[in-house]
Amino acid sequence: GAVVSQHPSWVICKSGTSVKIECRSLDFQATTMFWYRQFPKQSLMLMATSNEGSKATYEQGVEKDKFLINHASLTLSTLTVTSAHPEDSSFYICSSLSGGNQPQHFGDGTRLSIL
Amino acid sequence: EDQVTQSPEALRLQEGESSSLNCSYTVSGLRGLFWYRQDPGKGPEFLFTLYSAGEEKEKERLKATLTKKESFLHITAPKPEDSATYLCAVLVSTSGSRLTFGEGTQLTVNP
Repeated sequence: GAVVSQHPSWVICKSGTSVKIECRSLDFQATTMFWYRQFPKQSLMLMATSNEGSKATYEQGVEKDKFLINHASLTLSTLTVTSAHPEDSSFYICSSLSGGNQPQHFGDGTRLSIL
Repeated sequence: EDQVTQSPEALRLQEGESSSLNCSYTVSGLRGLFWYRQDPGKGPEFLFTLYSAGEEKEKERLKATLTKKESFLHITAPKPEDSATYLCAVLVSTSGSRLTFGEGTQLTVNP
């Protein structure tokens, strides 16, 4: 069964709207959760790393004020795309990590389309 | 800089035609190498973790191996349902918990 639940799987909204994506770790308490963006035919691009109770660490070039990450508990992280524009349209994927050298487990992704 | 290169970019096989996918890496301090399978419109699904050279893991028709500079994902007698993009990623000692991904190999198995 699914280890990580990501919701919603698909969202279409108008330009200027803020969109929240949830990522839940179902089978274990995640010390760290990650947010990725994936363009068609390309590999995953890490956007940010978040640890429960602390501020997220963003990768170079990722706008903190545009992509707000909250990791309020060991099982839930949220990504809010603020004032979304068409160029923010993409496939967003989260993952969770229990710790150490364990594998990351990924959610099923969210297809975001901004009109 | 850590680099992960997967080859080929795309591979077409006939059902039952065994082959191998390659993941070459140049990193400082490998802590783990991971193989994932990704279906269209889905997130990556974990397949294997390899931690040290010489290690091998098997699952159904898939077998992953690791040397000091590359990993292979061997697919024996593939079926159409094995069609997917296969991603390899490395965890290195200088990057905390962040993974470095290869670009993936898109595998198509024709019936």
